[in-house]
Amino acid sequence: AQSVTQPDIHITVSEGASLELRCNYSYGATPYLFWYVQSPGQGLQLLLKYFSGDTLVQGIKGFEAEFKRSQSSFNLRKPSVHWSDAAEYFCAVALPDNFNKFYFGSGTKLNVKP
Amino acid sequence: EAGVAQSPRYKIIEKRQSVAFWCNPISGHATLYWYQQILGQGPKLLIQFQNNGVVDDSQLPKDRFSAERLKGVDSTLKIQPAKLEDSAVYLCASSLPDRVYSPLHFGNGTRLTVT
Repeated sequence: AQSVTQPDIHITVSEGASLELRCNYSYGATPYLFWYVQSPGQGLQLLLKYFSGDTLVQGIKGFEAEFKRSQSSFNLRKPSVHWSDAAEYFCAVALPDNFNKFYFGSGTKLNVKP
Repeated sequence: EAGVAQSPRYKIIEKRQSVAFWCNPISGHATLYWYQQILGQGPKLLIQFQNNGVVDDSQLPKDRFSAERLKGVDSTLKIQPAKLEDSAVYLCASSLPDRVYSPLHFGNGTRLTVT
């Protein structure tokens, strides 16, 4: 079945530590890939996106993500987490054969310890 | 640019009542989406419009949910009658429908509580 999987429901890291949030997809073709962040009471904000080309993409707020075709993964990383990064993070895909149709993972809630 | 506007921000109703949500997308964005986000889950697409036409409403519970986008700009989503399981955040998003999958721009959502 087609799906977007974020295996970690909650993650807690200390401020200043590095972060990696996992995302795996299961689709026949390579989809277009996105990471969104949602702060409490807010809508989702785009962090970064991957369409093609360089598999390491840079986003806003110091985030980056790496597309690994062999692992069907698009993990989000940040070298040093700030307290303001505490939020929920969603991986999303859009399929090449589906006009602007997006599918979201279930999200990973990030808690940052001082 | 102004973002996606949604109202109201919060709504509390009793089951079997009706409710309506409003969305004004970013100017020039022809594609508009309504998503339902249940607590602890990712957004689930309810309906997608391209201008004033429906592109996908396969996951819209049509016995109780309806949506329209009459002039290809603003949109309303209605629930009638509401059930307890409709408690969720309803997110509106818009995008430019170009070929390189324009990302979604979200509003802040309407939090619905059905009691």
